[in-house]
Amino acid sequence: ETGVTQTPRHLVMGMTNKKSLKCEQHLGHNAMYWYKQSAKKPLELMFVYSLEERVENNSVPSRFSPECPNSSHLFLHLHTLQPEDSALYLCASSQDGGGDYGYTFGSGTRLTVV
Amino acid sequence: GEDVEQSLFLSVREGDSSVINCTYTDSSSTYLYWYKQEPGAGLQLLTYIFSNMDMKQDQRLTVLLNKKDKHLSLRIADTQTGDSAIYFCAERRTNAGKSTFGDGTTLTVKP
Repeated sequence: ETGVTQTPRHLVMGMTNKKSLKCEQHLGHNAMYWYKQSAKKPLELMFVYSLEERVENNSVPSRFSPECPNSSHLFLHLHTLQPEDSALYLCASSQDGGGDYGYTFGSGTRLTVV
Repeated sequence: GEDVEQSLFLSVREGDSSVINCTYTDSSSTYLYWYKQEPGAGLQLLTYIFSNMDMKQDQRLTVLLNKKDKHLSLRIADTQTGDSAIYFCAERRTNAGKSTFGDGTTLTVKP
């Protein structure tokens, strides 16, 4: 257990479903991140929240919608996904807005879109 | 990522030393990191080094930084089968809101 908890660990959803991924940290960190990790592709930064404010949105399709209700929780709402969205979705947090001392990652949610 | 490059694979025998290399392009990179990812898990921060340092040692891990060549390496002494994983190099510039990751090096340790 790293201090960053992601649920669910695995998710299978149809292209017309709506689901949400949850990330939680109680490390007292001020920044949280969503990354997508696909086979044969580098880590892709999706969203960055610092002090609950979105500071980066890396040209992510609108079918992915993040939400950060407080500094301890981060959600990724999913709707009408495509099969190519199947990947490991990783949440991370850092002490400060840029992550001077590195990130703490969760174990990820393995998403399969059918 | 294109700003941080690593070789994709490395295979060593148990007990040998492993050296994983990384090059980066941004000379203003201030912080450099090594992460480890085991199968089915997220990334785990192993160590980091500031750009004003040349070397950092932590038990079996030694990080070397050559700022002139923009080259970072991670040496694992007495490599064990449990060290088999993907190792990611990452860098961050001062005041940048994010780190940039390499594509990862898959280390395979053979008994």
